[in-house]
This record gives sequence, structure tokens and C-alpha cells, in this order.
Amino acid sequence: DTAVSQTPKYLVTQMGNDKSIKCEQNLGHDTMYWYKQDSKKFLKIMFSYNNKELIINETVPNRFSPKSPDKAHLNLHINSLELGDSAVYFCASSPGRIEPQHFGDGTRLSIL
Amino acid sequence: GQQLNQSPQSMFIQEGEDVSMNCTSSSIFNTWLWYKQDPGEGPVLLIALYKAGELTSNGRLTAQFGITRKDSFLNISASIPSDVGIYFCAGPRIQGAQKLVFGQGTRLTINP
Repeated sequence: DTAVSQTPKYLVTQMGNDKSIKCEQNLGHDTMYWYKQDSKKFLKIMFSYNNKELIINETVPNRFSPKSPDKAHLNLHINSLELGDSAVYFCASSPGRIEPQHFGDGTRLSIL
Repeated sequence: GQQLNQSPQSMFIQEGEDVSMNCTSSSIFNTWLWYKQDPGEGPVLLIALYKAGELTSNGRLTAQFGITRKDSFLNISASIPSDVGIYFCAGPRIQGAQKLVFGQGTRLTINP
């Protein structure tokens, strides 16, 4: 009965490839987020959607494109993967526009 | 911008000891959140503080919202092995885009 679920948990791929990460929440929350956690464990927001509408788009390369088909799903597509994209990507959701937030278990992306 | 500084960055303690960590900012926050991240998992909300001076407990955890609104403290009493992890403070930005800002985390290690 996972509240925020992400797939895949691990993603190992070659530089230059395109990949997608999926996220689903069953909490009935209106807002969903993508965070990036670097090797030093620093968490930084990338995007947030409220009822399928993009409300935060941080300074992220346009190779990253989020898509929210409905308010329970927020996917992240990454084009032309680079070595610096290696990180853990977390999906989160919240009832309101900011906090408190429930996080998924993360997708560990490794670029070879 | 609004940034959060956590100290200490890491702690090594004996099981049974009490733990104290803090989070400070040069800007005021209206909400303080404390999360814990276990290895291989996403952050989990421990305590939320919404009022200056507020003191809130969750089991062996106690957190306080500083009266200056620029700091918060988290204490753990009688630590046990499952307290191991990274503790993050977070707060929503007041100015600009509404987003959650995270501290860099305090890594807690417990020697049995």
C-alpha cells in the first residue's frame, strides 16, 4: 500500500541515452514534485505540479521534461543523459502547494 | 536567498546517548520541518512546527521552533540503533517561488 511509488528503483544506462522515471501517488494529493539528491545528499527541487499544472520549474536543463497526465501521476523524461545526471531522483506529493511532503523511495540513476 | 545550515554535519554517538542538532538561517521561516532519511529510502517527515516558540514531541524526538524564527532544534533522547540516518531540516521559502528548501543534513551514526 505504498503512498508514493517510483519506478524503476535503479537505472543504469549509457551516456546519450533517453530514459523515463515514473511516479504515482495514491494519497489523493493535489501537488507532486521531483527532487534531485546529489552524492553529498543535498536535496533540491526540480519541478512541481499542482493539479497537472506546472508551478515550479527550477533552473534545470531542458533535457529534463516532466509530464503529469493526471494529478496522481508525475513522470520525468530525460534526454541525452550526461555523466552529471547521476543522482537519486525523488518524487514527492503534498496536499497543498508546498508542504509537508511525502516522498517516494527514489530512483538511483547511474550514467556509464 | 533563503538557505538552511545544519550542524553538526555528522555525529558519532553511543547507543543510549541523547542527541541534539540544529538548523539556522539568515532569513525567517514561518514553518520548520524535520525529516529523516534511512539508507536507500526517501525522507520521512518526523515533526512539523508552525509557530515561533512551539515545542513539539514525537516519541523520543522533540523539536523546537526558535523564537527568532531563524532557527530550529531537534533532540533525540536515549538513542537506539534504528535512529541511524540523515536528518534534514526544511522550510518553505517566504519570498519568490513557493518551494521547500532543505538543509544539507546531519548524518547520525550510533555505536552499539
